[in-house]
Amino acid sequence: GAVVSQHPSRVICKSGTSVKIECRSLDFQATTMFWYRQFPKKSLMLMATSNEGSKATYEQGVEKDKFLINHASLTLSTLTVTSAHPEDSSFYICSAGVRQPQHFGDGTRLSIL
Amino acid sequence: GESVGLHLPTLSVQEGDNSIINCAYSNSASDYFIWYKQESGKGPQFIIDIRSNMDKRQGQRVTVLLNKTVKHLSLQIAATQPGDSAVYFCAENFLGGANSKLTFGKGITLSVRP
Repeated sequence: GAVVSQHPSRVICKSGTSVKIECRSLDFQATTMFWYRQFPKKSLMLMATSNEGSKATYEQGVEKDKFLINHASLTLSTLTVTSAHPEDSSFYICSAGVRQPQHFGDGTRLSIL
Repeated sequence: GESVGLHLPTLSVQEGDNSIINCAYSNSASDYFIWYKQESGKGPQFIIDIRSNMDKRQGQRVTVLLNKTVKHLSLQIAATQPGDSAVYFCAENFLGGANSKLTFGKGITLSVRP
């Protein structure tokens, strides 16, 4: 079946560091991928829609310059958290699919010290 | 505004019993609904889905019911097992394609007592 892979699974870094998270579709091509953020014991909040070959579409309230998204190929989207601070610590999850339902990666736990 | 929400934050059931998880949605234009299961530290895992032209769909040990009149969605798990312990989310979709986004409900934790 369709599989979505995220890397890394966990990142711990100092405040001010920029962190890149990768989302790959392993056995299908994805023109669109989605990035979510999830706080402990909370639901998934859509951050942005990543579009292959064009600019990402950000949800209201999500800082474009803070969360840079690049979707340069049909199998890879990256989310870069720029100049990360402790408040950016969270669980970041991507999803993609040829059709519904979307398949999700296993998430990236980001901890900013 | 439009929202997808769950009635109960937690649900505790005895192993072997049936579980029923409920979800309310408010957007009458939604035409596709999905239940996901999320285990600790992992991404959501697809359980079952249903389109708005149906009112019931069955899978292995799971059944999804859709009541469009009252905008209500439920997930029934038969003979609940310890491995069913997780957080369950309902999600709705407005346009139906792979490029259209999902809106998630708040989530409910299912705890199975041995």
